[in-house]
Amino acid sequence: GAGVSQSPRYKVAKRGQDVALRCDPISGHVSLFWYQQALGQGPEFLTYFQNEAQLDKSGLPSDRFFAERPEGSVSTLKIQRTQQEDSAVYLCASSLVSANTGELFFGEGSRLTVL
Amino acid sequence: AQSVTQLGSHVSVSEGALVLLRCNYSSSVPPYLFWYVQYPNQGLQLLLKYTSAATLVKGINGFEAEFKKSETSFHLTKPSAHMSDAAEYFCATYGNNRLAFGKGNQVVVIP
Repeated sequence: GAGVSQSPRYKVAKRGQDVALRCDPISGHVSLFWYQQALGQGPEFLTYFQNEAQLDKSGLPSDRFFAERPEGSVSTLKIQRTQQEDSAVYLCASSLVSANTGELFFGEGSRLTVL
Repeated sequence: AQSVTQLGSHVSVSEGALVLLRCNYSSSVPPYLFWYVQYPNQGLQLLLKYTSAATLVKGINGFEAEFKKSETSFHLTKPSAHMSDAAEYFCATYGNNRLAFGKGNQVVVIP
């Protein structure tokens, strides 16, 4: 596609539910990133993939958060047993090269509200 | 760890007036520095970047930023604000396979 696509754009979950957020990066982009943006804050790094390999998951806030990119293209961020503090916008970004310089292409985000 | 600091959450500017958004960085090595912009209902997009080639960096939509090592700053400016500049602006630095963002400035342009 022309840009990074994320779905769903909006998700409302009851506390305790599991959610899955999908990211379609720009075709051919090697690197893929997930960020979490709480209200009034800048995006915070969650995890980074180079092709299908998850090279850095140090930003995932708990073991309830899990991300995968099995074929090196589409990625899914899964949150198990959602809590109210998980409410945020989840941003996906991709980059063409593996040796990054920080020039990322972002999707519009998935806004998660946990009730 | 490399980081950036943005002061002031909301910035109001009159149409036609100077836009100035401040960013200071903390880094022990020459940094990669960026400004990203987020227009309403859109994803973050790159406005400009500093990669040590030149201290004055020009970006899209008439924005520019100047890298000042002595002040550890990378402030964003635009000489004349336009209504279409209303957006959220984030300063960021890159290192350890990640962008580290500041808290952002919400710019409101007053007609």
